[in-house]
Amino acid sequence: GAGVSQTPSNKVTEKGKYVELRCDPISGHTALYWYRQSLGQGPEFLIYFQGTGAADDSGLPNDRFFAVRPEGSVSTLKIQRTERGDSAVYLCASSLNGRGNYEQYFGPGTRLTVT
Amino acid sequence: AQSVTQPDIHITVSEGASLELRCNYSYGATPYLFWYVQSPGQGLQLLLKYFSGDTLVQGIKGFEAEFKRSQSSFNLRKPSVHWSDAAEYFCAVGAGVTGGGNKLTFGTGTQLKVEL
Repeated sequence: GAGVSQTPSNKVTEKGKYVELRCDPISGHTALYWYRQSLGQGPEFLIYFQGTGAADDSGLPNDRFFAVRPEGSVSTLKIQRTERGDSAVYLCASSLNGRGNYEQYFGPGTRLTVT
Repeated sequence: AQSVTQPDIHITVSEGASLELRCNYSYGATPYLFWYVQSPGQGLQLLLKYFSGDTLVQGIKGFEAEFKRSQSSFNLRKPSVHWSDAAEYFCAVGAGVTGGGNKLTFGTGTQLKVEL
């Protein structure tokens, strides 16, 4: 079956612009996670959705970052007024549910470059 | 707060040699522990996971890991490395809060190079 997909695979934008990153989770997975991976680092948690609701957004760095999952499937990560420090690979993962013993399946990521 | 330390940034081994990648974690309760592999241009792939029970867990591609509570460690091992194992390896700990998601905290990774 299809895995987690993310679009676009690469995004180059100018400082100050708005961007949207999309994640299509595995069908039937109710849990969805966003992570950010900076160069030379491990992924860092941003936000977790259970169904349509953001159950944990403690990893969002500031109010320029926002994510939605209106129908409990596709999710969009939105970044306003982008800064050069936002440049990173943004990873999405989905899981059958939010329990700890269920595997998270990761997408290939969106590489965001802010110039 | 949970944390993960992978003390080795780079490791080089010869093909056919044994491998051990170190991982130490900090977490107040019984952790959910994971090892992921990331190849260039590829997403993260789960190698193995530990939740409870037998402290020696087997994973894919011939990898295994041993959970040692007394040492707060979860080291990854492979008896004989293949050239295709060259990649970056990440250890992660999950909070595993029932109903509260399982946000993972990753280490900084170990880059494995395999010499032929």
